[in-house]
Amino acid sequence: GENVEQHPSTLSVQEGDSAVIKCTYSDSASNYFPWYKQELGKRPQLIIDIRSNVGEKKDQRIAVTLNKTAKHFSLHITETQPEDSAVYFCAASMGTGRRALTFGSGTRLQVQP
Amino acid sequence: DGGITQSPKYLFRKEGQNVTLSCEQNLNHDAMYWYRQDPGQGLRLIYYSQIVNDFQKGDIAEGYSVSREKKESFPLTVTSAQKNPTAFYLCASNKGLAGGGETQYFGPGTRLLVL
Repeated sequence: GENVEQHPSTLSVQEGDSAVIKCTYSDSASNYFPWYKQELGKRPQLIIDIRSNVGEKKDQRIAVTLNKTAKHFSLHITETQPEDSAVYFCAASMGTGRRALTFGSGTRLQVQP
Repeated sequence: DGGITQSPKYLFRKEGQNVTLSCEQNLNHDAMYWYRQDPGQGLRLIYYSQIVNDFQKGDIAEGYSVSREKKESFPLTVTSAQKNPTAFYLCASNKGLAGGGETQYFGPGTRLLVL
């Protein structure tokens, strides 16, 4: 089955700096890659996603890049703010079959004011 | 997200007891999923259902059971065979096998604790 690895497990940045979180996946059949933000005790919230026919997608301060050949994708947050502090999860799923998400282990991002 | 509800918010289980977690959605989604989240970890798939009256085991199905009698509902039963049930349980849904239906939306979760 699919395996998703995520790094780093914790990340501390100063307010205004950029943050980058990286994930690798194992199954070349995976073609959908969402990123979720989870605050303590809350449900995961989708912040951005990308499909395998696209190399990069941007939404205001958030961007995701995908390298299908290397089987890795990254989340980029620019001009970080204290409210960006949360746990971020990457995930992958296949376009056929079960379509359930396989999640990475999460990155705890702390933005220092 | 507002279209998926889970109850209860907190649930306490005694030794040897079966408990059922509720998940309801009004998004007209075909597919529904149950994930388990342990502290400091990612989500792991327990069961999923792509259509009414059909469901499949996920990666950690042992000690759990589900049913899908209605499109809107996908209850999860944690049986006494699940020896370490303490976790945060999240239900999700999406359009399933329909085109562009990958985006999953999560319910607010149920926190299960063992007495």
